Amino acid sequence: AQSVAQPEDQVNVAEGNPLTVKCTYSVSGNPYLFWYVQYPNRGLQFLLKYITGDNLVKGSYGFEAEFNKSQTSFHLKKPSALVSDSALYFCAVREGNTGGFKTIFGAGTRLFVKA
Amino acid sequence: EAGVAQSPRYKIIEKRQSVAFWCNPISGHATLYWYQQILGQGPKLLIQFQNNGVVDDSQLPKDRFSAERLKGVDSTLKIQPAKLEDSAVYLCASSRTSGGARDEQFFGPGTRLTVL
Repeated sequence: AQSVAQPEDQVNVAEGNPLTVKCTYSVSGNPYLFWYVQYPNRGLQFLLKYITGDNLVKGSYGFEAEFNKSQTSFHLKKPSALVSDSALYFCAVREGNTGGFKTIFGAGTRLFVKA
Repeated sequence: EAGVAQSPRYKIIEKRQSVAFWCNPISGHATLYWYQQILGQGPKLLIQFQNNGVVDDSQLPKDRFSAERLKGVDSTLKIQPAKLEDSAVYLCASSRTSGGARDEQFFGPGTRLTVL
């Protein structure tokens, strides 16, 4: 069965410092991986996805993520954090082989960027 | 393009009452999803439609929850009767293609349901 783990409930980082939000996954086939962000009182917004190809994918707002098959991880990164990046981040996985109908979301990681 | 629309934004009901939520996906999007997001958790898929057919409703509590997608466009999600544990945010999302596992999803603002 598919599963996603976000091991940190909260990540704190100072503005201007690099940030990493961790995600590990488990699927029986090829994974399709996604990151979404949720700002207060707003719906989830898509940030980036990995389907195939280059392990480093770039997305919105300067975010990027690295797919690591051997470690079954898909960590979200940004070289220099902004206060406005403070939000709730969700990692999600679909299993590609079977058509991937079901999307499994992690529990979320709250990012707090301090000025 | 206009985003995913949901209504109402907030709803407060008493247990054993019924409630319905409405969703209008992005125009032309073939796939529509309903998620339940309980406070402190990630969204959990309740049901997924491709056009007007159901492709996954394995986590929908069918004794009390029902959903339909009329003419492959708008959708309604109903709870009857509601229980206290149904208190959550109900998110609607859509994606462009049918069977598009590679597609990202576009989410509406959600409906916050409180069951007293």
